Amino acid sequence: EAQVTQNPRYLITVTGKKLTVTCSQNMNHEYMSWYRQDPGLGLRQIYYSMNVEVTDKGDVPEGYKVSRKEKRNFPLILESPSPNQTSLYFCASRPDRRGGTDTQYFGPGTRLTVL
Amino acid sequence: EDQVTQSPEALRLQEGESSSLNCSYTVSGLRGLFWYRQDPGKGPEFLFTLYSAGEEKEKERLKATLTKKESFLHITAPKPEDSATYLCAVDNYGQNFVFGPGTRLSVLP
Repeated sequence: EAQVTQNPRYLITVTGKKLTVTCSQNMNHEYMSWYRQDPGLGLRQIYYSMNVEVTDKGDVPEGYKVSRKEKRNFPLILESPSPNQTSLYFCASRPDRRGGTDTQYFGPGTRLTVL
Repeated sequence: EDQVTQSPEALRLQEGESSSLNCSYTVSGLRGLFWYRQDPGKGPEFLFTLYSAGEEKEKERLKATLTKKESFLHITAPKPEDSATYLCAVDNYGQNFVFGPGTRLSVLP
């Protein structure tokens, strides 16, 4: 089954304790992205990657890191989480758009609480 | 700056009461417009892609239409299971889609 998976689905942590949220897709998509979703603010892009070893900042990158060492994986790293990073996080992927546009497929979400 | 707005913010319907959701966009270029459905705490689920003005797509009780400035998601005879947040997103040839804030739909039995 074609899908985007994220782990963990729920995470409660404390300020300053480094954490990683994993994202994997099995559709051989070139493009992957991380979003956060907060009430009243909608989906905001954190980072995206056009392909392996190519990453770039989205709209709200502060406090986050990413890496793209393999095509299928795109982990999100919070080196020193703070309470304002409490949010619902989504990973998404889509094919390269050289042939035209295509939809993004979203993972199930990771609900992060930073105390 | 490219922008996508959606109205209404929230909509309550009785089961069987048809209505429409609006997505208005101001973008430098439109490569495609997407509709998603999102259930609470879950990832957005793809519904439709529209590419050019005049295009229409249908799926069960949902029908999406597109003009040069806006898109409508028409819901015919909705059921309680249609309750969700509906998101609109535009591919403006940039690196990312521009998402609207969503319309929260509640269908009461």
